[in-house]
Amino acid sequence: GAGVSQSPSNKVTEKGKDVELRCDPISGHTALYWYRQSLGQGLEFLIYFQGNSAPDKSGLPSDRFSAERTGGSVSTLTIQRTQQEDSAVYLCASSLRREPDTQYFGPGTRLTVL
Amino acid sequence: QKEVEQNSGPLSVPEGAIASLNCTYSDRGSQSFFWYRQYSGKSPELIMFIYSNGDKEDGRFTAQLNKASQYVSLLIRDSQPSDSATYLCAVSNSGGYQKVTFGTGTKLQVIP
Repeated sequence: GAGVSQSPSNKVTEKGKDVELRCDPISGHTALYWYRQSLGQGLEFLIYFQGNSAPDKSGLPSDRFSAERTGGSVSTLTIQRTQQEDSAVYLCASSLRREPDTQYFGPGTRLTVL
Repeated sequence: QKEVEQNSGPLSVPEGAIASLNCTYSDRGSQSFFWYRQYSGKSPELIMFIYSNGDKEDGRFTAQLNKASQYVSLLIRDSQPSDSATYLCAVSNSGGYQKVTFGTGTKLQVIP
């Protein structure tokens, strides 16, 4: 079956512009995660959605970052007024939230802020 | 103290040797433990998970868990150059929805 998809695969933007990153999870997966990975670094948790529960936004680095998940499926991560330090690969993962809670990752969106 | 700690490496081993990757975690109530592999420029993919103390073997991979020491490791036997990647340890905490926290990963280099 289809895996997690993300779009765009690459995004180059100018400092100060807003960007939207999209994630399509695996069908039926109730949990959706966003991570950020800077060059040579580990995964930085950003936000987690589970079903209809309130999302865990504890990882969002600033109020310029927001995310939503419509209809329990597709998610959009929005970064407003982008800064150069926002440059990174943004990874989305989904899971069934059953043991083992294996996360399946999308290919990521490489964001470059000039 | 980081919640999940790994040595960043690189860890270099000769082809055919055993590679030992280590991870410590801070939440004593952690429930589930995962090892993901990430090739350069690619997304992480699950290799193994373990819940119980002791060893769990899957082919050339063995995960070892010691909850008393808050320590989990991954052994790769007969290491191959294709095993060269970054290995991420992930721990599911004991919180309400079992949030998974990733370590920063250990880079493994298998030398032919």
